[in-house]
Amino acid sequence: GDSVTQMEGPVTLSEEAFLTINCTYTATGYPSLFWYVQYPGEGLQLLLKATKADDKGSNKGFEATYRKETTSFHLEKGSVQVSDSAVYFCALSDMEARNTGNQFYFGTGTSLTVIP
Amino acid sequence: ETGVTQSPTHLIKTRGQQVTLRCSSQSGHNTVSWYQQALGQGPQFIFQYYREEENGRGNFPPRFSGLQFPNYSSELNVNALELDDSALYLCASSWAGTGNYGYTFGSGTRLTVV
Repeated sequence: GDSVTQMEGPVTLSEEAFLTINCTYTATGYPSLFWYVQYPGEGLQLLLKATKADDKGSNKGFEATYRKETTSFHLEKGSVQVSDSAVYFCALSDMEARNTGNQFYFGTGTSLTVIP
Repeated sequence: ETGVTQSPTHLIKTRGQQVTLRCSSQSGHNTVSWYQQALGQGPQFIFQYYREEENGRGNFPPRFSGLQFPNYSSELNVNALELDDSALYLCASSWAGTGNYGYTFGSGTRLTVV
């Protein structure tokens, strides 16, 4: 079945450091890939998405490229800020799987703490 | 436009009891999904409702049930609560025409079963 594997955290970085959070996936169809962010005490917010191979999603300085050959969707940011401290979830959704309600499959999340 | 609102934000129940969680979808959205997020884990799909009918279900037992109302709001009901049901329950709404590209999540209901 479909699944997502994320690098385990927690990750602690100094402000302005480079961030990479690895994500790989397994899917039987042609999934769309997403990164969601969860701040303490809040729900999930969509950070970026990519709908087909070689697409690059980007938002707020974060980027991720849909790599079909390596089944990966790694999240990167060139210079993190304290305000980026949160939990990041990689997710996929197979738009062809109508009978399962187009559900999201989430990774276990990676906690990021950025220190000044 | 308003986002997705969930109520209550927190509640504590005793094992064996029943609970109802509520979700008001974002304006213009007609599809609602429910997810369970255990502590330190990613959200797990419970089910989705579209046009007041269940439109997909994850690996959850029948004691997890739901409803969607004509105004697209939704309820999640859990019977015979178990300690492992303690989790954050997230509701997400979308417009069916956009699939999963336009999902909006609520802030969740934190359920503690003692």
